[in-house]
Amino acid sequence: DVKVTQSSRYLVKRTGEKVFLECVQDMDHENMFWYRQDPGLGLRLIYFSYDVKMKEKGDIPEGYSVSREKKERFSLILESASTNQTSMYLCASSLGRRQETQYFGPGTRLLVL
Amino acid sequence: QQQVKQSPQSLIVQKGGIPIINCAYENTAFDYFPWYQQFPGKGPALLIAIRPDVSEKKEGRFTISFNKSAKQFSLHIMDSQPGDSATYFCAASLYNFNKFYFGSGTKLNVKP
Repeated sequence: DVKVTQSSRYLVKRTGEKVFLECVQDMDHENMFWYRQDPGLGLRLIYFSYDVKMKEKGDIPEGYSVSREKKERFSLILESASTNQTSMYLCASSLGRRQETQYFGPGTRLLVL
Repeated sequence: QQQVKQSPQSLIVQKGGIPIINCAYENTAFDYFPWYQQFPGKGPALLIAIRPDVSEKKEGRFTISFNKSAKQFSLHIMDSQPGDSATYFCAASLYNFNKFYFGSGTKLNVKP
């Protein structure tokens, strides 16, 4: 079974703090993704990565950065958290470049005060 | 601008009913259309997917209907059960490309 784990289920941070969200997958998948989920807006892609040290912007990259130093780990970084980044963050991974199933982690609910 | 439009936002049906969730897209280059199911506290998981060379696909009680000319596709859940209560997302992607465009989601409540 594919397993995607996220470092925290809930996080509370203050405005201006630097926030790290970690994601690890155990199936040697090439692709990893970060989404945010907001009511009425569905899942919106923030960043994705097709390979180690490689990253591509998704649809809403502003205010975020990512790091992929190892194949199994993909980190999302909020350089200076703002209240409008309060959201559910979902990490996903998939096997290859084709239209593969994306496997999601359980999500991290982030509250920025 | 949302690439995939999903409706309704929420849906309540009685057990045994057939909820229908609809999605529409504009980009005719999309050629893979998955549906994901998400239970509270969990990440979304693939439910069923279709490619535009077929008009219908069934897996158990779940059916996707696809209308290429109308650029619409829908999910039907036959004999719905309370355990089907979840949020459903449609999505679309381009050929040979693993980036998905998700709809806004439909929260389904199946009453006993």
